[in-house]
Amino acid sequence: AQSVTQLDSQVPVFEEAPVELRCNYSSSVSVYLFWYVQYPNQGLQLLLKYLSGSTLVKGINGFEAEFNKSQTSFHLRKPSVHISDTAEYFCAVSAGDDKIIFGKGTRLHILP
Amino acid sequence: EAQVTQNPRYLITVTGKKLTVTCSQNMNHEYMSWYRQDPGLGLRQIYYSMNVEVTDKGDVPEGYKVSRKEKRNFPLILESPSPNQTSLYFCASSLWDSSYNEQFFGPGTRLTVL
Repeated sequence: AQSVTQLDSQVPVFEEAPVELRCNYSSSVSVYLFWYVQYPNQGLQLLLKYLSGSTLVKGINGFEAEFNKSQTSFHLRKPSVHISDTAEYFCAVSAGDDKIIFGKGTRLHILP
Repeated sequence: EAQVTQNPRYLITVTGKKLTVTCSQNMNHEYMSWYRQDPGLGLRQIYYSMNVEVTDKGDVPEGYKVSRKEKRNFPLILESPSPNQTSLYFCASSLWDSSYNEQFFGPGTRLTVL
């Protein structure tokens, strides 16, 4: 069975600074990987996903993530954050069996 | 507009009083799912449905029921709610294979059981 770990429950970062949100997964088979974002008082929406091919995946709002098979990681990055990026971010993994497992989430706090 | 709708958005009830949270999607998606979100625990899947009349348990199905009589609707039923079911609930839908397709989430239903 697969699992996903988000190493940081909260990440504070100054506006216009870069940010990295960490995600590690475990699985005995090939996986699909996702990052979802939840803005305050809203449902989740997809930021980006990795299915196959290029390990660097670009998503919406300037976010990108890199799939690293050897380190079983899928960290999310943005070179310069904005106050509007304040949200909770969820990493998720699927092994192609119609089940998707979500991490516990990382709250991104943007400091002025 | 493509969307997933949930009703009600907020609900306060008492222990043992049966309730239903409705979920509807207008994207003709085969796959629908219910999650609960609790602080520090992230999202946990309650039930999911691959298509009409096909439902299956997720990770935390105890105390919940679902039905899928129509493709667009996937109600969540709490026959006898208890305080440990106080949570934020999300309905989601996707194309038939949810493994690699984007899931579209509803706005959430905040349930409090006293």
